[in-house]
Amino acid sequence: DAGVTQSPTHLIKTRGQQVTLRCSPKSGHDTVSWYQQALGQGPQFIFQYYEEEERQRGNFPDRFSGHQFPNYSSELNVNALLLGDSALYLCASSSIGFDYGYTFGSGTRLTVV
Amino acid sequence: GEDVEQSLFLSVREGDSSVINCTYTDSSSTYLYWYKQEPGAGLQLLTYIFSNMDMKQDQRLTVLLNKKDKHLSLRIADTQTGDSAIYFCGEIYNQGGKLIFGQGTELSVKP
Repeated sequence: DAGVTQSPTHLIKTRGQQVTLRCSPKSGHDTVSWYQQALGQGPQFIFQYYEEEERQRGNFPDRFSGHQFPNYSSELNVNALLLGDSALYLCASSSIGFDYGYTFGSGTRLTVV
Repeated sequence: GEDVEQSLFLSVREGDSSVINCTYTDSSSTYLYWYKQEPGAGLQLLTYIFSNMDMKQDQRLTVLLNKKDKHLSLRIADTQTGDSAIYFCGEIYNQGGKLIFGQGTELSVKP
């Protein structure tokens, strides 16, 4: 049973560019959340998608946007990249209503230069 | 408010018990979690406890929850070098909502 898959694993972008990160949830899960983990910090909640809608959002600017597809997979888009956006981006999937089932992917390491 | 705090470092000898502590502020938390992160990897769920429980045991892991003091702890019995990692405490803020994490405790196990 495949867990949460994220792609790409590593990415280097230039300041001002745009980036798209992808996530496939664990089989049977319908909810996808995205987290940003800066070096030496705990993961920070960006937003959560369920039924192709943004259900909750953390304290991140509008440059961070997302999408969920009918097959439950999800994308995270970041526009106008800043050096401070360099981080590990983690995707977590769960089944709505089952709060004990948050499964994380291995993450995408984004470096902005 | 939403805040989860952990001590940053813990060093133990192989075979000893490790106790990692966490305090949280949201009294309406439903589930509390312990995740493990090894270098360069994502987060691995170790265990969770529902907010109406006081204790949960799972093999070498024991979770204690003191709701009055908003204090959560993770005890690892017979700690091994493979347990060296960063451990994150997390709480759900509103059922089905965002998971709030602490800064993580780096556990170093010396042979």
